[in-house]
Amino acid sequence: QSVLTQPPSASGTPGQRVTISCSGSNSNIGSNTVNWYQHLRGTAPKLLIYSNNQRPSGVPDRFSGSKSGTSASLAISGLQSEDEADYYCAAWDDSLKGWVFGGGTKLTVL
Amino acid sequence: EVQLVESGGGLVQPGGSLRLSCAASGFTFSSYWMTWARQAPGKGLEWVANIKQDDSEIYYVDSVKGRFTISRDNAKNSLFLQMDSLRAEDTAVYYCARGMHVWGRGTTVTVSS
Repeated sequence: QSVLTQPPSASGTPGQRVTISCSGSNSNIGSNTVNWYQHLRGTAPKLLIYSNNQRPSGVPDRFSGSKSGTSASLAISGLQSEDEADYYCAAWDDSLKGWVFGGGTKLTVL
Repeated sequence: EVQLVESGGGLVQPGGSLRLSCAASGFTFSSYWMTWARQAPGKGLEWVANIKQDDSEIYYVDSVKGRFTISRDNAKNSLFLQMDSLRAEDTAVYYCARGMHVWGRGTTVTVSS
């Protein structure tokens, strides 16, 4: 059972916009910023969003993040087949004194 | 270019030990927090431990406290994870990361008799 809660799956057709939610608590998302990662098993996880809504250089602006209270969201617009991957949210937890992840959302591009 | 290359994974029996290494290049290693994380088969990402630039702060996930030790050698741009009393549930791909931003490709640890 992950500390942060994500839907296990999401899907969309090419060109569509999809959102992935991440729910936490006051000790993690409510108190700290959220990162989002894209991961294909067997490869290095890739940071998509840090500090709730900041994109590292090289990440397309199709990816955007937001946070409100104890929840966060990742939005992907103009969905492409190459976006098919697992997506994870993460935040520091002040009570656990460690980073916590969501269980991951498997995105399928139909 | 930032590079993180993990090594030291392998097959080990339950109760055994393994030492993972992470060779860093392309950035000033001594200026960053460093992290170990893992992904067990069929499971999601899990943070394992992290260490501050000067070793003054170290944190572990509860499941590895007392068994794993994270350390670093700033002179050699290297991060380590000493894993003792290994259990089957420690079987995973272990990743090294700069902070929580840039990640390596991982090294596989299998704990099995």
